[in-house]
Formats: sequence, structure tokens, C-alpha cells
Amino acid sequence: EAGVAQSPRYKIIEKRQSVAFWCNPISGHATLYWYQQILGQGPKLLIQFQNNGVVDDSQLPKDRFSAERLKGVDSTLKIQPAKLEDSAVYLCASSWGPKQFFGPGTRLTVL
Amino acid sequence: AQRVTQPEKLLSVFKGAPVELKCNYSYSGSPELFWYVQYSRQRLQLLLRHISRESIKGFTADLNKGETSFHLKKPFAQEEDSAMYYCALNAGGTSYGKLTFGQGTILTVHP
Repeated sequence: EAGVAQSPRYKIIEKRQSVAFWCNPISGHATLYWYQQILGQGPKLLIQFQNNGVVDDSQLPKDRFSAERLKGVDSTLKIQPAKLEDSAVYLCASSWGPKQFFGPGTRLTVL
Repeated sequence: AQRVTQPEKLLSVFKGAPVELKCNYSYSGSPELFWYVQYSRQRLQLLLRHISRESIKGFTADLNKGETSFHLKKPFAQEEDSAMYYCALNAGGTSYGKLTFGQGTILTVHP
């Protein structure tokens, strides 16, 4: 089966610029997650969607981060404006039950 | 709030030796615990869940509620076990699906 797809794989921007990441989950998976993984740390959940509704966004810095999942399938995560501390790998995952399937991630570097 | 601690950032063993990756958690309720693994150049993937009580690739993990631990064990390590291992906790209830990850342990198995 096709796995979770993410693009782009790498992105380099300057601080105060905007950036967007895209995720296509496994077909039929109702739940979609965005994680932020800073170098040397484990993934941290930013937002969780159930279909196209937000279940948990308690750790999403809402002053600069936004995410949407239109039609309950693909999702985009946006950062506007970016800060140096946003440099990280952004992981998308999807699930039907308790097992989460992860995408390859997008490595963001903010200069 | 829940917390997962993996006290060892690095762990090195020789092929054929036993290996134990430590995981301790902090949570007042009844959590669901997972081990995720990331091999070089591959995606993060589920290794095992405590509820399943299964052995995957020779690895087992037992939930010890008294010691709030979920250590990952394998009696005879193989070179292909070299990877990054993350322990994760799901608090369940309204937070079902939300995973809290530890910082990870890099396991290196020497020939």
C-alpha cells in the first residue's frame, strides 16, 4: 500500500518568511497528525485532525502556525512568519486505529 | 501531564549480547505504551505495543505499572537492530491518538 506522502522533503528559508508543508495520508485513514521534531528530541504533536475537524491543537503555536485539512484528506501546515527556532523536521502521520504511520518528513532550516 | 523519559541517548552492544533500552513514564491514569523505531534512511515505524504483548523481531517489552517503566529487551542483538528507538505514551480517553514521545535512544550493535 502507498504510505504517507509529504512534500517538500527539504526547505530552506530566512527568518520572517512563510513556508507551507503538504501531507497526503494513507487512503481511508481518518486521523491525521502533524509533529515537530527538533534535532536531538522526540517528535512533539502539533495538531491532530479527525476527518476535517481538529481534535487537539494544544501545542500548536497559533500566533504563527496554522493547519487545515480540507475534505478530510490532504493537509497543509503553514508557518508565518518563521523563526530560527522553527528549524526542525515536520512529520505527518495518519492512522485508522492505534497504529500511526509516518511520512518521510520535511526538514526545515530557518536562516 | 504525561511525560516519557529515555535515560540513555546512546547504547552500544556487541552482536549476540543482550540489550535493554530503558523507558520510564509519568502519567496518573492507565496509559498505552509503544516502541517506535527509525532505521537509517527510513521512516519512523511502530515496533510494538504493550497491549499486544507480542514479540517483534525478537524484541519484547513489559509494562511495569509499579515502576512506571516499559523497557525494551532483546536477548541476542543483531547488527540490523542498529537504529533510533523511541518510547511513546498514549494517554487515551479524549487524548486518544495523541502520542508523547521520549527523546530517543540510538542503539548501535557492533559486529
